Amino acid sequence: EVQLVESGGGLVQPGGSLRLSCAASGFTFSSYWMHWVRQAPGKGLVWVSRINSDGSSTSYADSVKGRFTISRDNAKNTLYLQMNSLRAEDTAVYYCARDGSVLLWFGEFHWFDPWGQGTLVTVSS
Amino acid sequence: DIQMTQSPSSLSASVGDRVTITCRASQSISSYLNWYQQKPGKAPKLLIYAASSLQSGVPSRFSGSGSGTDFTLTISSLQPEDFATYYCQQSYSTLSEGTFGGGTKVEIK
Repeated sequence: EVQLVESGGGLVQPGGSLRLSCAASGFTFSSYWMHWVRQAPGKGLVWVSRINSDGSSTSYADSVKGRFTISRDNAKNTLYLQMNSLRAEDTAVYYCARDGSVLLWFGEFHWFDPWGQGTLVTVSS
Repeated sequence: DIQMTQSPSSLSASVGDRVTITCRASQSISSYLNWYQQKPGKAPKLLIYAASSLQSGVPSRFSGSGSGTDFTLTISSLQPEDFATYYCQQSYSTLSEGTFGGGTKVEIK
């Protein structure tokens, strides 16, 4: 069974740091791009960051650029999100998600599937 | 960045109703549109990819259509387990904070 399990969330003060982990199982982790997506309490989904399969390429949402770092350890089947200089507006459930894709006659399509259960990050004094 | 706008933001419907949710992109995204379902306290679940392709294991009462800028998710006969929030997501261009629509909450009438 394909499974993603996040950990590392918790309460942190503004300006503090936290590292999230996402343990993957049931598939060849090193073959897939991975993403972090967050959801503030009562709000919608917001894409945060992406990393390619070997970790050589990353991208970030503007709101976290320069503060968050995505990385992966393919030997440990684990995805990470290092979050520094945390702000109140970073409070959210953070989900990791696998990048799925298919090549159809009219293009190559990508999506997020599956998702982990999420880990809550609360930034507050 | 491409912005995704869903409508309505919420709706009330009864079991057995046909429900349609709309998603509009700020520019053409061809068929690069996915739909997700999220129940309270749970992770999102992929329903539809490439605008109209049903993900494996998803009931056939769910369908997607559209291309370019206008897309719809249709539930042909609403079931009790379908009460949830639905999100569209574009995969046409570089991902950004606006990759997902704002969501449509489907509630029991």
